[in-house]
Amino acid sequence: GAVVSQHPSWVICKSGTSVKIECRSLDFQATTMFWYRQFPKQSLMLMATSNEGSKATYEQGVEKDKFLINHASLTLSTLTVTSAHPEDSSFYICSARDPSLSGEQYFGPGTRLTVT
Amino acid sequence: DAKTTQPTSMDCAEGRAANLPCNHSTISGNEYVYWYRQIHSQGPQYIIHGLKNNETNEMASLIITEDRKSSTLILPHATLRDTAVYYCIAYASNFGNEKLTFGTGTRLTIIP
Repeated sequence: GAVVSQHPSWVICKSGTSVKIECRSLDFQATTMFWYRQFPKQSLMLMATSNEGSKATYEQGVEKDKFLINHASLTLSTLTVTSAHPEDSSFYICSARDPSLSGEQYFGPGTRLTVT
Repeated sequence: DAKTTQPTSMDCAEGRAANLPCNHSTISGNEYVYWYRQIHSQGPQYIIHGLKNNETNEMASLIITEDRKSSTLILPHATLRDTAVYYCIAYASNFGNEKLTFGTGTRLTIIP
């Protein structure tokens, strides 16, 4: 199957700082990428849909000014958590849809963010 | 996306077939049944999907009832590495709604 990578795999930052997470599709071009957040012992929650060359679509309750998404190329989307707080500590996962296939999404390995 | 219902947890002996049920009684005609699994602290892994015919690949088999209101994912010879949370999702991938909505899934534990 298609491969999606994320960087970094884990990050620790201080409260008030910003953190950027990268999501790359390695062997296909993805016009659409998705960002999820997962808290311990909970399921994945979709945060936003990232479309190449246009603004991201955020789910209800997700602050677009806090979680900045940029999808500047067909293989790269970035999520920036601005002014991070301890409650932003979570597992952030991206996925990408290969338009050449029937619709399955491929997920990155996730990024563990800890805000101290 | 149609809501799906799965058992919270299941155990299966190593080497035996693991049968994971999923109810999707409100599934629409254009929605596929997708299965993903998530091993602890990793991103979800695509397993298989189908519309109305049974499907098989190198990982698993998917059996969908004729009325499409339920399905079963079959891992034919479970190994310890199959321990994970398995998500069944009804998903209309080709009609503009591309969001995957994850429920709570089934936590499958393979017992040595």
